Parts: sequence; structure tokens; C-alpha cells
Amino acid sequence: AQSVSQHNHHVILSEAASLELGCNYSYGGTVNLFWYVQYPGQHLQLLLKYFSGDPLVKGIKGFEAEFIKSKFSFNLRKPSVQWSDTAEYFCAASGSARQLTFGSGTQLTVLP
Amino acid sequence: KAGVTQTPRYLIKTRGQQVTLSCSPISGHRSVSWYQQTPGQGLQFLFEYFSETQRNKGNFPGRFSGRQFSNSRSEMNVSTLELGDSALYLCASSLVASGTDTQYFGPGTRLTVL
Repeated sequence: AQSVSQHNHHVILSEAASLELGCNYSYGGTVNLFWYVQYPGQHLQLLLKYFSGDPLVKGIKGFEAEFIKSKFSFNLRKPSVQWSDTAEYFCAASGSARQLTFGSGTQLTVLP
Repeated sequence: KAGVTQTPRYLIKTRGQQVTLSCSPISGHRSVSWYQQTPGQGLQFLFEYFSETQRNKGNFPGRFSGRQFSNSRSEMNVSTLELGDSALYLCASSLVASGTDTQYFGPGTRLTVL
């Protein structure tokens, strides 16, 4: 069965700290990978996506993610977080079918 | 360009009632997907419509149904509501029905079942 796992449920960082959120997937066949963010009171927004090609993808607001096929991972990174990055982050995957399978989410709290 | 809109934003119903939620996709988008978000189960796929046809369906009981109109607007219906149906229902639209196409999410409809 298709699944996406996010092992960090709640991460607390101070401003300027580096961020890495883990995401592992289990999918048969071609996989498309996404990171979405949900800021407090706002709707889900796409941060970045990976379909093929360069395994290091850059998204909005200084976020990037690396696809490591051998580890079935798609971890999200940011070198220096800001208070405004406080949000819930979701890793998601899709295959040939349209439906997105989401991880359970990681709540990031950045302390000023 | 206007984003995905969902109406109503909040609903309170009682057990046994039925409810209809509406979603208007981004102009030009032809694919609409629905997701349920709960604290316990997270985000789960309900179904997807493209060109008025249901393309995929998630693992939900038959009480959950949907449809898409010729203008790509979509509705989902939940009959015989149960307490466990309380959730945030999200609609997402995309240009086409390709696995690589980005889905854009609406603000959701918060359904509370009493």
C-alpha cells in the first residue's frame, strides 16, 4: 500500500536555526513528491515538488528538498528559519493516479 | 486569478442529517479533488473528478458522494451524518488530471456534527 511517513510530529527551533524535516515514502512505480505548508488560519500551499530530474529541488521562501531514491526519502530543509515559518508542514506523494497521499504532518514552532 | 473557493466555510449539523459542500475551482482548472482532514486520521483522499467523471475514489463509505458540473464546479454530499464525520473538508483543483500537475487547495469547509 502507498504510504508517506513523517517522523517528526513537533519541532521547536529558535530563529536562525537550520531545519530538516524528514519524509519517507512507500510507493510502487513512479512517484511524484510534494511538500505543502499550512500557516495558522490559512489554507494548504505548495512549497515545492519533485517529478524527475535534479534530485535537489528549490521551492518558495528559501526551502529546498532532496530526493534520495535509495532511501525512499524526500527531506525538507531550510538553512535559517524565521518566526514566520511557524506552520504545519505536510509531505505528500502521488503516483500515476491523481490522489495525494499525505504524511501526518510536522508542526514547526519557531521561537523569536 | 481567484483561488479555489469553498462554501460554506462552516457548518453545524446533527447526526442523521445530510450535507452538501460546494467547491469552485480556479478558472480553467478541470480537475477537482476532495480531502478530509481530521486530527486523528490526518489528510485523506475522498475522490477526484475530471470532466464530470469520477476518476478515483478513496476508502470512504458510500455515504460520501460527489459530482462535478460542466463548468468544473464540484459538490460533495454526505448522507446520514455520524459524529466521526466532523472534519475539515478540503477541495483542490488542478489544470488537468495528470499525476505531475499541482493541486491548489481551498480554505476548506469546517463541518461539525452534533
